[in-house]
Order: sequence, then structure tokens, then C-alpha cells
Amino acid sequence: EAGVAQSPRYKIIEKRQSVAFWCNPISGHATLYWYQQILGQGPKLLIQFQNNGVVDDSQLPKDRFSAERLKGVDSTLKIQPAKLEDSAVYLCASSSGTLREKLFFGSGTQLSVL
Amino acid sequence: DQQVKQNSPSLSVQEGRISILNCDYTNSMFDYFLWYKKYPAEGPTFLISISSIKDKNEDGRFTVFLNKSAKHLSLHIVPSQPGDSAVYFCAASASVDMRFGAGTRLTVKP
Repeated sequence: EAGVAQSPRYKIIEKRQSVAFWCNPISGHATLYWYQQILGQGPKLLIQFQNNGVVDDSQLPKDRFSAERLKGVDSTLKIQPAKLEDSAVYLCASSSGTLREKLFFGSGTQLSVL
Repeated sequence: DQQVKQNSPSLSVQEGRISILNCDYTNSMFDYFLWYKKYPAEGPTFLISISSIKDKNEDGRFTVFLNKSAKHLSLHIVPSQPGDSAVYFCAASASVDMRFGAGTRLTVKP
């Protein structure tokens, strides 16, 4: 069974530039999550999709972050414009059902904003 | 807000001995708890979970204990192996809300 795919693995940009991350969840998983993990901290949920609908985006900085999952499968997360404090690992995860179930994480995208 | 806390950033144990990783939470609405393990340059992988209706769950060398009155859970690894060296994250869930601790880096020395 293929795992959660993410790209790119690494990205270095300057502040005020834009960046996009892509995620393809495990086949058949209806729920998709984007997490931000700042160095030394645990993953923080940015947004949760159930199929192509948003379940929770309460911690997404909507003035600069956006995410979509148009066909209920793969998803993109965008930051525009980036700030220095956005430097983090962005993790995508998927699950087949509710949040109670274990999440399957991708390897993440490490973003450095200079 | 740190609703899930792992107060020990690191732990070092000798191979063959027991590793005990601790986690505290503040939100009494959490009713499902999970441990994830993370190797460098990889995403976290699920290790073991426990529902609030239980106080212990065991899977091979890994056992999770839950003390609801103290809002505390712990992960025991017996015996510890060098391949267990990783960062361990505690997570707590309440319906659609899941929070992660900051992680504990476990080093198992041969």
C-alpha cells in the first residue's frame, strides 16, 4: 500500500515570496490534514478536510495561508506571502475516518524562509 | 496553549533496559490518546493508542498506561533496543480535536 506522498521535500524561499506544497493521501482515505511543525514543537493542525469539504481551519492563518482539495483526493497548501516565522516542516496526513483513528503521515516538506 | 505536555525533551537509556516516556494533558475532554514515533527526515508513524475507558494497552514491547485522575499517560518500552531511538510524540484527541506534545527524543545506547 502506497503511503502519503508529499512534494517537494525541501524548499528555500525569501520572505514575501509565495510557496506551494502538494500532498497525495493514501488511496481511499477520506480525511486529509495539514500540520505545521516548528522546530522543538509538536505538530499543529492547520486544516482538516473530509473529502473536499473543510472540517476545521480554525488555526489556519487565512491572511496568508490557503489550502484546497478540489476533487477530494490530493491537496495543495499555499503560503503567500511567506514570513520568517513560517519556517517549519509541513506535514500532510490522512485517515480513513474520524480523528480518533491513527493518522498516516507523509515525510513532510521542510520550508526555510530567509 | 499547551494542552498536551511532554516535559522531558530527551531521554537516554541502555539497551535492554526499560524506557519510560511521560505525557500530561490538561483538557478533561480528551478521551483518546496516541503515541507516534518519528525518525529523522520521516513523518511520524503511529505506535500505540489507548481509549479513556482503559488504563492499560499493550502491544509487544510497548505498553501505554493512562491515569485519568492525574491526566497523565506514559509509554513503556521493554526491553529497549537501539532501533527504538527516535522522537516520540504523545497526542490526545477529543472528537475532532487532536493535540500533540512537543516530543521526547529517546536514545537507546548499545
